[in-house]
Amino acid sequence: DQQVKQNSPSLSVQEGRISILNCDYTNSMFDYFLWYKKYPAEGPTFLISISSIKDKNEDGRFTVFLNKSAKHLSLHIVPSQPGDSAVYFCAASVRTYGNKLVFGAGTILRVKS
Amino acid sequence: NAGVTQTPKFQVLKTGQSMTLQCAQDMNHEYMSWYRQDPGMGLRLIHYSVGAGITDQGEVPNGYNVSRSTTEDFPLRLLSAAPSQTSVYFCASSAGTGAYGYTFGSGTRLTVV
Repeated sequence: DQQVKQNSPSLSVQEGRISILNCDYTNSMFDYFLWYKKYPAEGPTFLISISSIKDKNEDGRFTVFLNKSAKHLSLHIVPSQPGDSAVYFCAASVRTYGNKLVFGAGTILRVKS
Repeated sequence: NAGVTQTPKFQVLKTGQSMTLQCAQDMNHEYMSWYRQDPGMGLRLIHYSVGAGITDQGEVPNGYNVSRSTTEDFPLRLLSAAPSQTSVYFCASSAGTGAYGYTFGSGTRLTVV
């Protein structure tokens, strides 16, 4: 039973355009959502998070949107750069449950120059 | 500042052998976790710890043991290696829950033959 789902295995975007990565979840108890970026042969790197009491959080070129009623979140990258090419993981947690993260399967983003 | 250090980076084991994957962090983080990454499945939580002396099971704990005698170290023991444990293993640490992102090590690629 996958609690966090990333239904798009891959996404290809032109440099300078917007990249939109999507994530759906089923557990309504999740109260924090996080995005991680991973390059080959490296560990994941934390990008941005959002609390369930917010619907948007921005950090530079990265914005995460949360739609609680739809149990859906998305990561927008504007403008996309070739260095953004990586695997992006969506993750969720329940704060009171020991900070355990539940990850989606990941989406491979390719930014073409 | 080293962050999260995992050793070894690569390991080949024969079925039935045991070994310990080492993980150390120098950020004084209370929370530490072990994940495994398999193709198409994202990262799955094996064991986690909320402080020295306190550990608990994650999503896929069978075949693995952990202990946390100090804040810095969180070793993962494979009791009797099986081919199904062929994976990339990541150790991670975090200062807190919720919006605190985990810092990941660079991973250990384990092959069981």
